[in-house]
Amino acid sequence: EAQVTQNPRYLITVTGKKLTVTCSQNMNHEYMSWYRQDPGLGLRQIYYSMNVEVTDKGDVPEGYKVSRKEKRNFPLILESPSPNQTSLYFCASSPGATYNEQFFGPGTRLTVL
Amino acid sequence: EDQVTQSPEALRLQEGESSSLNCSYTVSGLRGLFWYRQDPGKGPEFLFTLYSAGEEKEKERLKATLTKKESFLHITAPKPEDSATYLCAVMNSGYALNFGKGTSLLVTP
Repeated sequence: EAQVTQNPRYLITVTGKKLTVTCSQNMNHEYMSWYRQDPGLGLRQIYYSMNVEVTDKGDVPEGYKVSRKEKRNFPLILESPSPNQTSLYFCASSPGATYNEQFFGPGTRLTVL
Repeated sequence: EDQVTQSPEALRLQEGESSSLNCSYTVSGLRGLFWYRQDPGKGPEFLFTLYSAGEEKEKERLKATLTKKESFLHITAPKPEDSATYLCAVMNSGYALNFGKGTSLLVTP
């Protein structure tokens, strides 16, 4: 089944404890992206990747890191999480950037205490 | 800076009562405008991509149109299962994607 998977789905952590949210797609898509969704602010792009080893900042990259070493994986790293990073995070992928039928993962709900 | 504004924020319709959702945008080099549907607790689901002014696309009861400054999502004879949040997004020349805050649609029987 074609899908985007994210792990974990739910995470409660404490300020400053490094964490990684994994994202994997099995559709051989080139474009992958991370978003956060907050009430009243909508979906905001954190980072995106056009292909392996190519990443770019979105609207709200501060406090986040990404890497794209393999085509299928695009992990989101929070080196030192803070409470303002409490949010619902979505990973998405699409065949190419401009052919943008993005497939979204199920979301990761992160709480930073 | 790219900007996407959706209106209204919320819309309540009776079943069968047609209406339109608006998405106004400013973007540096439009590569595409996209419509998504999002159900509570789930990731957005792709509906349409529009690339140039004058383009129209249809899917069941939904029709999306595009001008140089805005896009409309027309909903004809909606059903309760069309209730969801509808999101508009624009991709700029640098391939970054900017979403609007969405229109929350409720269709009552």
